[in-house]
Amino acid sequence: QSVLTQPPSVSAAPGQNVTISCSGSSSNIGKNYVSWYQQLPGTAPKLLIYDHNKRPSGIPDRFSGSKSGTSATLGITGLQTGDEADYSCGSWDSSLSAGVFGGGTKLTVL
Amino acid sequence: EVQLVESGGGLIQPGGSLRLSCAASGFTVSGNFMSWVRQAPGKGLEWVSVIYSGGTTQYADSVKGRFTISRDNSKNTVSLQMNSLRAEDTAVYYCTRGRLASGGFDSWGQGTLVIVSS
Repeated sequence: QSVLTQPPSVSAAPGQNVTISCSGSSSNIGKNYVSWYQQLPGTAPKLLIYDHNKRPSGIPDRFSGSKSGTSATLGITGLQTGDEADYSCGSWDSSLSAGVFGGGTKLTVL
Repeated sequence: EVQLVESGGGLIQPGGSLRLSCAASGFTVSGNFMSWVRQAPGKGLEWVSVIYSGGTTQYADSVKGRFTISRDNSKNTVSLQMNSLRAEDTAVYYCTRGRLASGGFDSWGQGTLVIVSS
């Protein structure tokens, strides 16, 4: 099992909003930055959010990130069918001295 | 334009060795943190290893002592030497730029598939 915990799946209708949670501990999310990745079917992951809440150039502001304590959340507003993908959170674990990821959340846009 | 292109994957028997390469363009590997991340079929992402700009390396416990990350500044490449391969090492291996501690992985290669099977 993954060090960071994500729900296996979430779903919502087009136009609606959705959040994906990522739960960790004091040695990873509680101490280090969180990043989020979108992986469309059959493609490599793409950076969506870094340093908890920053968006790389080209990522629409429909995507947002936040962190509270040892948990992080990815928010997506105005869902589009093209948002159907797997979403993963990642961070560094200072106790393990290793990178850690969540197990990924499959987003279905109904 | 930043680009990462992996090569070297394939089918290998348990206990065998394989060397993956990652050719970078649009930036210098020596001035960046470079990592390998893998994804087993139908599974989530797993961090494997990082080489820092200063040359320090770190590994996941699952590969420590078996895998070695290195870089060739003259060729602008990063490599992952994988020894004593096991069935559980079967995965798509991605070369990435950046680090999870801050900034995240901002560039990914297309991935190279490693299958460990007899």
